[in-house]
Amino acid sequence: AQKITQTQPGMFVQEKEAVTLDCTYDTSDPSYGLFWYKQPSSGEMIFLIYQGSYDQQNATEGRYSLNFQKARKSANLVISASQLGDSAMYFCAMSMMDSSYKLIFGSGTRLLVRP
Amino acid sequence: DAGITQSPRHKVTETGTPVTLRCHQTENHRYMYWYRQDPGHGLRLIHYSYGVKDTDKGEVSDGYSVSRSKTEDFLLTLESATSSQTSVYFCAISTNGRGTDTQYFGPGTRLTVL
Repeated sequence: AQKITQTQPGMFVQEKEAVTLDCTYDTSDPSYGLFWYKQPSSGEMIFLIYQGSYDQQNATEGRYSLNFQKARKSANLVISASQLGDSAMYFCAMSMMDSSYKLIFGSGTRLLVRP
Repeated sequence: DAGITQSPRHKVTETGTPVTLRCHQTENHRYMYWYRQDPGHGLRLIHYSYGVKDTDKGEVSDGYSVSRSKTEDFLLTLESATSSQTSVYFCAISTNGRGTDTQYFGPGTRLTVL
């Protein structure tokens, strides 16, 4: 069964440093998408970055990059030069390739950026 | 901004009462989704729609029904609310309904069932 695992319930990082949030996934489908969302304390879900299973290069969006290691089934989010506004919950998600195309979410990692 | 609104944003209701949550989109996307978020979990799919009057169940659909009579509106109904349905409800859209398409979320509705 498809599953997303985020093993870090909470993390701290010093402002201006880089941080890696871990995500591993399990699927038998050859085609899938991997997503990261940010949920600040205000509650909205903000899309950050996407990686397709056939993409040869790691995805990048500004300060966000996705370290995609297909053989290890990992899709870690790297945030460079952390800012105070990066303090939030971060969710890794995977798309299902059935008729729903729904997302399967991990349980999230709470990141706190220290000044 | 994917043009998704949800109403109401907050609601407190009593056990046994019916509740309807509304999701409205402005860009005529085909696929729409209802998820719920509970502490310790990410989001879990309740129901989804792949067109007008075309809906199907997700993994946590018991106690919920949906309707989509217009492309822009997707309604989630709790026929008889229970305390276990206290949650934050998110609506989402997918531009093309393929697994490689990004889902964008509405602002959420916080529902409390007393």
